[in-house]
Amino acid sequence: AQSVTQPDIHITVSEGASLELRCNYSYGATPYLFWYVQSPGQGLQLLLKYFSGDTLVQGIKGFEAEFKRSQSSFNLRKPSVHWSDAAEYFCAVGTPVNNAGNMLTFGGGTRLMVKP
Amino acid sequence: ETGVTQTPRHLVMGMTNKKSLKCEQHLGHNAMYWYKQSAKKPLELMFVYNFKEQTENNSVPSRFSPECPNSSHLFLHLHTLQPEDSALYLCASSQGWRQWNTGELFFGEGSRLTVL
Repeated sequence: AQSVTQPDIHITVSEGASLELRCNYSYGATPYLFWYVQSPGQGLQLLLKYFSGDTLVQGIKGFEAEFKRSQSSFNLRKPSVHWSDAAEYFCAVGTPVNNAGNMLTFGGGTRLMVKP
Repeated sequence: ETGVTQTPRHLVMGMTNKKSLKCEQHLGHNAMYWYKQSAKKPLELMFVYNFKEQTENNSVPSRFSPECPNSSHLFLHLHTLQPEDSALYLCASSQGWRQWNTGELFFGEGSRLTVL
């Protein structure tokens, strides 16, 4: 069965500093990987996704993520954090085409706080 | 109106009440999902509907009863809930498995349920 681990429950960074959120997955085949963001009281918004090809993927809001098969990781990065980036971030792995819809498995989330 | 819309956004109910959560998507998708998001627990998949057929029931108690009358609408009927059922219930949609599928889920903003 697939699983996702986000080792950091909380992270605090200063505004303008760089950010890296860690994600490790367990999956038997080539994974489909996603990062979602959730602001307080809101649903989840897709930041970026990886299916195949270039292992460095660009997303919205200046985020990027790098797929490293050898490390089973899909870490999210941003070179300069803005106060509006404070939110909870979820990594997910999925199988998008099967007979039961898109079976995404989510990690436990990382709550990002941004210091002025 | 676009995207995935959930109503009501907030619901307070007693353990003997019967209520329903509603989800509507305007994205032309054919798969819809209910997720439960509790404090300190990962997102839990509850139900999946693909082309109006339930394809996944993730061992959800019978006090939660889903209904999918068509590909655009999804309901979650609630009956004799327990206080531990208090959570944010998120609806999502995606392209169905018989369609070319980018794999991602599109989420609504959620219905915050409190059971007294």
